[in-house]
Amino acid sequence: NAGVTQTPKFRILKIGQSMTLQCTQDMNHNYMYWYRQDPGMGLKLIYYSVGAGITDKGEVPNGYNVSRSTTEDFPLRLELAAPSQTSVYFCASSYGPTTEAFFGQGTRLTVV
Amino acid sequence: DAKTTQPPSMDCAEGRAANLPCNHSTISGNEYVYWYRQIHSQGPQYIIHGLKNNETNEMASLIITEDRKSSTLILPHATLRDTAVYYCIVRVRNNAGNMLTFGGGTRLMVKP
Repeated sequence: NAGVTQTPKFRILKIGQSMTLQCTQDMNHNYMYWYRQDPGMGLKLIYYSVGAGITDKGEVPNGYNVSRSTTEDFPLRLELAAPSQTSVYFCASSYGPTTEAFFGQGTRLTVV
Repeated sequence: DAKTTQPPSMDCAEGRAANLPCNHSTISGNEYVYWYRQIHSQGPQYIIHGLKNNETNEMASLIITEDRKSSTLILPHATLRDTAVYYCIVRVRNNAGNMLTFGGGTRLMVKP
C-alpha cells in the first residue's frame, strides 16, 4: 500500500491564480481530511469528509473548496490564491472516527 | 471541547526514557487521548491513544491518570530519531467524524 499520496510536493502560485491539491489513499478509508500548517504552528483543519459525496467545513475553510466523488480521492481547490494561503498542506485519512489517521507527506505552497 | 496543555519544549538524553506530559483537565468521559508526532515537517505520525486504561505498543506507553485530567507519553529508550514535535490531542466527538485538533505540541530534542 502507498498510503496517502499528495501531489504536487511543492508549488509557487501568483496572487489570484487557482490550483488543485491532489490527495489519494489506497486503504479504503471512509474519512479524509485536509489540514494546513503555518510556520511554527500546529495543524488546522480545513475540510473533512466522512465518505464519498459527503464533505463538511473544518476550522479554516474560507478560500478553499473540496469534493469527494470517490472513496480514494479528496482534492482541495484553491480559488483566487492569496499570500495568507502560503502554508504546508497535509491530507489525511482514517478508517473510522476513532482509528488512527494516516497523513501524507504534505504540499508546500507559496503564494507570491 | 477539551483543550490540552503541553510544555513547549523538552530535552532528553539518548537511551534514557522520555516522559512527555499533557494536561487535559476539561476532558469529558467519552473523549480519547491521542498522541501524534511530527518529524521535521513531515506528515504527523500516529503513536498511541487511550480512553482511561494505560496503553502500550511497540513505540510508546501512555499513562492516563485515574481522574483522566492528565496523561504522560513515555518513550522508553529515546533515540536521536525520536527528535520531533509531539502532539497530545483530545478527540472532539461529533456525529461526523474524527476531528483531530492540533495544538502547539512539545518539541522534544534527544541529545547524544
